Amino acid sequence: AQKVTQAQTEISVVEKEDVTLDCVYETRDTTYYLFWYKQPPSGELVFLIRRNSFDEQNEISGRYSWNFQKSTSSFNFTITASQVVDSAVYFCALFTTSGTYKYIFGTGTRLKVLA
Amino acid sequence: DARVTQTPRHKVTEMGQEVTMRCQPILGHNTVFWYRQTMMQGLELLAYFRNRAPLDDSGMPKDRFSAEMPDATLATLKIQPSEPRDSAVYFCASGRGELAGRDEQFFGPGTRLTVL
Repeated sequence: AQKVTQAQTEISVVEKEDVTLDCVYETRDTTYYLFWYKQPPSGELVFLIRRNSFDEQNEISGRYSWNFQKSTSSFNFTITASQVVDSAVYFCALFTTSGTYKYIFGTGTRLKVLA
Repeated sequence: DARVTQTPRHKVTEMGQEVTMRCQPILGHNTVFWYRQTMMQGLELLAYFRNRAPLDDSGMPKDRFSAEMPDATLATLKIQPSEPRDSAVYFCASGRGELAGRDEQFFGPGTRLTVL
């Protein structure tokens, strides 16, 4: 069975602190894709990153970085020097094609960055 | 700046009424997804289409929900009859990927449905 777990329901940090959002996934597929989306207070989900199962290279984009580790089935997201505008709900998602196509979202982590 | 559009943005209706939600995907995108978001269940994929054909609708209650793409510029999600438990925000998303789901999805602003 496929599953995405975001154990952190809510995190509060003070501006300029670094914060890591955890994502643990389960799948038996060897080919799969992992995503992170941001949902700001406005409500629209915004794509942040996609990673396929064959590419374990970590990625950095500005203040955002992602650590993909197949050994621990984790795809964690770190925001460096957080800002108030980073306040949002962040979703991790898994896409697999085993049998039928499956797109599974985690329950999300609400990040509050305090000024 | 191309965006997915959804109408209506808000809908309040009474139990038993038919509800139709519409989505205009980004021009040139060939995959369309419908999601439902509630506090209890989070984000659930209801259905998705590639090149207007339904690829998977296993997440959708078949007895009352139906999803269609009459043409490449319009996707509809219909609930008949609606029930209070259908109250949620319904998102539409589109993607350009050859293989549905592989590419990033562009989400619309959502339709907030309240069934009394």
